[in-house]
Amino acid sequence: DAGVTQSPTHLIKTRGQQVTLRCSPISGHKSVSWYQQVLGQGPQFIFQYYEKEERGRGNFPDRFSARQFPNYSSELNVNALLLGDSALYLCASSLLATGDYEQYFGPGTRLTVT
Amino acid sequence: ILNVEQSPQSLHVQEGDSTNFTCSFPSSNFYALHWYRWETAKSPEALFVMTLNGDEKKKGRISATLNTKEGYSYLYIKGSQPEDSATYLCAFVTADRGSTLGRLYFGRGTQLTVWP
Repeated sequence: DAGVTQSPTHLIKTRGQQVTLRCSPISGHKSVSWYQQVLGQGPQFIFQYYEKEERGRGNFPDRFSARQFPNYSSELNVNALLLGDSALYLCASSLLATGDYEQYFGPGTRLTVT
Repeated sequence: ILNVEQSPQSLHVQEGDSTNFTCSFPSSNFYALHWYRWETAKSPEALFVMTLNGDEKKKGRISATLNTKEGYSYLYIKGSQPEDSATYLCAFVTADRGSTLGRLYFGRGTQLTVWP
């Protein structure tokens, strides 16, 4: 079975630009979460979606948005990029939205903002 | 702000040594505790999800214990091998009604290096 996939693997953008990151969950998983990891820190929660609805949002500015499609894949959009948005963006999928289920992570998208 | 602490930050051991790490989390509003193993350039790999006080989980040479009343979990690796070299992350899930139930609060991880 395919695991969680993310695209692209790496991305270089300029300040002020916009970026879209994509995630395909494990087949049958209805919950997708997004995390940002900067060097030296643990991953930080950005969003959780379940059955195409936003279930939660972390402490990130409105420049960050996401959506989940009918096939449960998800996109994370970041507008007006700042240098501080440079990070590894991880997507995780889970069967259900509650925290007692295993969350399976993709390999991440490395975003560099110059 | 919900604080999850892991210690030590890094650990270097010889092949064959047994080792353990600590994850400390809030002792109130506990819902679940996750452990992950993360090798460089790979996806974080789920090791355990623990939900009950006193829980003990085992996968091969790796085991974990949970104490929700005092807010800590231990991860043990018996007879470390070079392939165990990775960063081990714990993540706390709070039952606080104000928080998203599936949200993971991660520690910074313990980086383990096992020398042959």
